[in-house]
Amino acid sequence: DVKVTQSSRYLVKRTGEKVFLECVQDMDHENMFWYRQDPGLGLRLIYFSYDVKMKEKGDIPEGYSVSREKKERFSLILESASTNQTSMYLCASSSVPRGAYEQYFGPGTRLTVT
Amino acid sequence: AQSVTQLDSQVPVFEEAPVELRCNYSSSVSVYLFWYVQYPNQGLQLLLKYLSGSTLVKGINGFEAEFNKSQTSFHLRKPSVHISDTAEYFCAVTPRGGKLIFGQGTELSVKP
Repeated sequence: DVKVTQSSRYLVKRTGEKVFLECVQDMDHENMFWYRQDPGLGLRLIYFSYDVKMKEKGDIPEGYSVSREKKERFSLILESASTNQTSMYLCASSSVPRGAYEQYFGPGTRLTVT
Repeated sequence: AQSVTQLDSQVPVFEEAPVELRCNYSSSVSVYLFWYVQYPNQGLQLLLKYLSGSTLVKGINGFEAEFNKSQTSFHLRKPSVHISDTAEYFCAVTPRGGKLIFGQGTELSVKP
């Protein structure tokens, strides 16, 4: 079974802090994704990566950056956390080359910024 | 551009009753369609998918969905729900080779 793990289930940070959310997948998938999930809005794509050291902006990249130094690891960085970034963050991976479908999701990190 | 609309934000239903969760999409190109389920405090898992072929797709846990190209719909159905089906359900679409676009989600609440 594909396993996608996220470094924390719950995280509380202060406004202005730099925040790192880590995601690791164990199935040698090429593609990795970061979403945020908010009630009534579904999942919105922040950034994605089709290969190591590659990244592409999703629909809501403002205030975020990403890093993919190794194939199995995809990090989401909040350079200066703000209260409007309080949300559930979901990482996903998929194996189809440059294809986003049939994604496998991690359990999510619920981030609260105070 | 593609978009997905889930027509009901919440669906309450009694145990053993049938249920339909509605999903409509818009796209100018051919798409692949998915339903994902999110149980409380968990990530999403794939319930079923339509890529091509038969328009009636069967998934896990007794769910099925029907792709209707003329109505641009992909409604999810189950003939008899259980308490354990209580979860949030997401419809998603992707143009072939593109990004997944999710609907807003439908909360299914199964009551005894």
